[in-house]
Amino acid sequence: AQSVTQPDIHITVSEGASLELRCNYSYGATPYLFWYVQSPGQGLQLLLKYFSGDTLVQGIKGFEAEFKRSQSSFNLRKPSVHWSDAAEYFCAVGANFGNEKLTFGTGTRLTIIP
Amino acid sequence: DTEVTQTPKHLVMGMTNKKSLKCEQHMGHRAMYWYKQKAKKPPELMFVYSYEKLSINESVPSRFSPECPNSSLLNLHLHALQPEDSALYLCASSQDARGREAFFGQGTRLTVV
Repeated sequence: AQSVTQPDIHITVSEGASLELRCNYSYGATPYLFWYVQSPGQGLQLLLKYFSGDTLVQGIKGFEAEFKRSQSSFNLRKPSVHWSDAAEYFCAVGANFGNEKLTFGTGTRLTIIP
Repeated sequence: DTEVTQTPKHLVMGMTNKKSLKCEQHMGHRAMYWYKQKAKKPPELMFVYSYEKLSINESVPSRFSPECPNSSLLNLHLHALQPEDSALYLCASSQDARGREAFFGQGTRLTVV
């Protein structure tokens, strides 16, 4: 079964600074990988996804993520954060055959300070 | 249209009430999901419908009863809930149920009193 680990529960970043959120996954083959963002009381919005091909994927709102098979990681990055990026971020993994579940990490809460 | 619409946005119900949550998508997706999310936790999968058939039930108590009337609609019927069932209930859909990206609705904030 697949699993996801997000080691950082809470990260605080200054506005304009760069950001990296960590995600490690466990899966026997090449997984489908996703980053979602959730503002308080809202649903989840898909930021970006990786299925195959280019290991650096671009998403919405200026985010990107890099798939590193050797490290089983799919870290999310943004060169310069904005106050509106404050939210909860979830990494998720899906199996590309058989299992129909999307498995979420425990989330990282991002706080932006002026 | 990449929208999943959930109604109502907020619901307060007593423990003896019967209510239903509704979810609709018009993206032609053939998989639909119900998730439950408690505060400061990730979404927990409850049910998966694939091609209008229930394919996964994550050992959810029978006081939650899902229904998929057609490929665009998903309901969650609620009966005799407990206060601990208070949570954000999220509906999602995906092209199919093979691990592809899911599109989420805004959720229904349920409070059981």
